[in-house]
Amino acid sequence: EVQLVESGGALVQPGRSLRLSCEASGFSFDDTGMHWVRQAPGKGLEWVSGISWNSVSIGYADSVKGRFTISRDNAKNSLYLQMDSLTIEDTALYYCAKAENWNYVGGSIEHWGLGTLVTVTS
Amino acid sequence: DIQMTQSPSYVSASVGDRVTITCRASQGISNWLVWYQQKPGKAPKLLISAASTLQSGVPSRFSGTGSGTDFTLTISSLQPEDFATYYCQQANSVPLTFGGGTKVEIK
Repeated sequence: EVQLVESGGALVQPGRSLRLSCEASGFSFDDTGMHWVRQAPGKGLEWVSGISWNSVSIGYADSVKGRFTISRDNAKNSLYLQMDSLTIEDTALYYCAKAENWNYVGGSIEHWGLGTLVTVTS
Repeated sequence: DIQMTQSPSYVSASVGDRVTITCRASQGISNWLVWYQQKPGKAPKLLISAASTLQSGVPSRFSGTGSGTDFTLTISSLQPEDFATYYCQQANSVPLTFGGGTKVEIK
């Protein structure tokens, strides 16, 4: 059974940094693309970032480009999202998600974790 | 960036009704269109990939059609467990983008 467990969400002040983690199990993590998708309270889904199985292909939403960095450690079956220069608009539930294939584009998002909440407030 | 426009944003329907949700892409995306269902307080669930491929375990009352810029999700006979919010997403190019969602509520 595919399991994705996010952690690292917290209440932080604007301008600060936060690192999210996602521990994956139940599938071959090291040959699967991964995503971060977020959902602000009461709002729709927003894709944040994606990474291919070997970290060669990486993409970001315009709203986070230059501030967020996605990475993965295949030896630890883990996905990460380093979030810098946080703003109030980054407040959301952040989902870790498994791609359909080796890349993060050209396929669906097959499985989703339960999410970790990031609240940015002064 | 490719914009995804869903309509309607809200639909009120009864059990047994046929419901159709439309998703339009701002440029052609071939069949790189995905549909998800999200219930309150839950993570999204994959329903349909590649515009029309029903995922394993998803009831056959769900179907997807379309190619290029115009796509539809149809629920042929609405069941109580289908009341949820539905999102389309283009998987053609980066950044990946979602539609604004369609909330299906009980009439």
